[in-house]
Amino acid sequence: DVKVTQSSRYLVKRTGEKVFLECVQDMDHENMFWYRQDPGLGLRLIYFSYDVKMKEKGDIPEGYSVSREKKERFSLILESASTNQTSMYLCASAYPGGQETQYFGPGTRLLVL
Amino acid sequence: QKEVEQDPGPLSVPEGAIVSLNCTYSNSAFQYFMWYRQYSRKGPELLMYTYSSGNKEDGRFTAQVDKSSKYISLFIRDSQPSDSATYLCAMSASSSGYALNFGKGTSLLVTP
Repeated sequence: DVKVTQSSRYLVKRTGEKVFLECVQDMDHENMFWYRQDPGLGLRLIYFSYDVKMKEKGDIPEGYSVSREKKERFSLILESASTNQTSMYLCASAYPGGQETQYFGPGTRLLVL
Repeated sequence: QKEVEQDPGPLSVPEGAIVSLNCTYSNSAFQYFMWYRQYSRKGPELLMYTYSSGNKEDGRFTAQVDKSSKYISLFIRDSQPSDSATYLCAMSASSSGYALNFGKGTSLLVTP
């Protein structure tokens, strides 16, 4: 069964803290993605990775960075959390060219105070 | 103009009704079309996908793509309270790389 897991379901952080969100997939997928989802704005792509140590900026990369040291793990880093980064963060993975079958994790609800 | 437009609803229907959910798009390069279902506080799960134009049926769900009108639909027959969720359309061009273009989602409530 397809499995994408995210390290936390809920997270509360303070402004200025460095925040790590972890995503792990067990499907041997090359492609992994980080989105944020906000009411009225839908899903927006932050970063994606098509291979280990490779990364590409999405639509809203400012204030974020990513790390892909192993194929199964893709981390999103908020260098200095701000209140406007309060959101639902979703990780997804897919086979190369398998754009029609992105599998999503359960999401992390991040609140920055 | 947004590339993918989707009415946010909410849409409320009685149990057993036929539900029609729709998206329009502007990029004629889109070739892959998907519908995701997202329950409250959960991640989206892939429900249906189609390539290019045509229909695809899976149980109570039918996906339609009309590329000439740049319009896609998801029909749910015999709707159930368990179908209450947000439905997201998504689409991709074959040469666009790796990311999907999502609609903002339509919230559906099926009342018993």
